[in-house]
Amino acid sequence: TQLLEQSPQFLSIQEGENLTVYCNSSSVFSSLQWYRQEPGEGPVLLVTVVTGGEVKKLKRLTFQFGDARKDSSLHITAAQPGDTGLYLCAVNTGNQFYFGTGTSLTVIP
Amino acid sequence: NAGVTQTPKFRILKIGQSMTLQCAQDMNHNYMYWYRQDPGMGLKLIYYSVGAGITDKGEVPNGYNVSRSTTEDFPLRLELAAPSQTSVYFCASRGQHNEKLFFGSGTQLSVL
Repeated sequence: TQLLEQSPQFLSIQEGENLTVYCNSSSVFSSLQWYRQEPGEGPVLLVTVVTGGEVKKLKRLTFQFGDARKDSSLHITAAQPGDTGLYLCAVNTGNQFYFGTGTSLTVIP
Repeated sequence: NAGVTQTPKFRILKIGQSMTLQCAQDMNHNYMYWYRQDPGMGLKLIYYSVGAGITDKGEVPNGYNVSRSTTEDFPLRLELAAPSQTSVYFCASRGQHNEKLFFGSGTQLSVL
């Protein structure tokens, strides 16, 4: 059983379009992280959300933590080719970090 | 400041061979992790360590062993390589009071 389910698994869009990807669980977490991974590299942390309902913005990326702290979304406005990559959500359960299944995003110029 | 360094970047093994994947960090981080990533999938935790001399199993530890004799190094050992261990392996570390994981650039392993 996967602790974190991400959707969609794959997403291919045109440059300039908006998109939202989701990270869902049946468990409650004290915080949740989003990472981006580019081909041939390790994941890089984008943001950590810690409060239910919290919204954080990172340039064209908007992250939201669900009110019940069970889910999160990542919205990208006016996607650019540089946004292409694998987006992973992750949670810390004690000393262990669990990752979601990932959303592979391709932005076509 | 190199961060997390993994070696080798690529390796091909025959079934039954053994090897050690190296991971070193120069940030004086207490916590270190080994993950594997299969194509199109997220990361699965193999083993982790909260400090020198302390290791513990993650989600998928079978077929692997680790040791943590120093704060800097956290090698991952495959004793009898199997095709199911074909994957990309990532090492990560973090500080004691920081939830940010720093990753190495990975080791791509093929077992044929």
